[in-house]
Amino acid sequence: DTEVTQTPKHLVMGMTNKKSLKCEQHMGHRAMYWYKQKAKKPPELMFVYSYEKLSINESVPSRFSPECPNSSLLNLHLHALQPEDSALYLCASSRKVGLAGGNKETQYFGPGTRLLVL
Amino acid sequence: DQQVKQNSPSLSVQEGRISILNCDYTNSMFDYFLWYKKYPAEGPTFLISISSIKDKNEDGRFTVFLNKSAKHLSLHIVPSQPGDSAVYFCAASATVTSGTYKYIFGTGTRLKVLA
Repeated sequence: DTEVTQTPKHLVMGMTNKKSLKCEQHMGHRAMYWYKQKAKKPPELMFVYSYEKLSINESVPSRFSPECPNSSLLNLHLHALQPEDSALYLCASSRKVGLAGGNKETQYFGPGTRLLVL
Repeated sequence: DQQVKQNSPSLSVQEGRISILNCDYTNSMFDYFLWYKKYPAEGPTFLISISSIKDKNEDGRFTVFLNKSAKHLSLHIVPSQPGDSAVYFCAASATVTSGTYKYIFGTGTRLKVLA
């Protein structure tokens, strides 16, 4: 099973609103990720959590605030967003795969939340 | 600076023929490579991967080839089926710290398989 779930599927918010995106996986994966994807562009890494600790922040503006309450759940809190933040927000988790040459990690993505900021 | 590049934005192939999608990378620290398939408004779906110590990995209709000296990988789909029509992303992974990995995605290639 490689299912990552994300809610909501779609979100419309104003620039003064506060909202949260939620991501869940019950596969025991130890790392979870947030990506942002604009149309016709590749996913861009925002944050990485490893064992519930923030290990990578790709210089993301503070209006995006990640939270990892437990090993299965990852949130992204949104506040005072700009219209240019409208995008598909993807969550992923990863598991180790034993390969010749050492352990590697394979990422599995959720379906994404389509965010529109007005 | 795009560390992972897919130079063909689109590719059309006849059903039953081979589809070859290419990917180039610049960072020699990448040691694990993955291919994902993406339909519109959905998350990427993992297809196949390869470690940097291998030069080929096969899974059913999908084969990934890695040429480390050229910093080039390719995904072969044989035979191509209309359901394979999607955007394909290659991704490269590097270890950031012990136990933390970073993934960089290419720009994607839109594959259209014609019936």
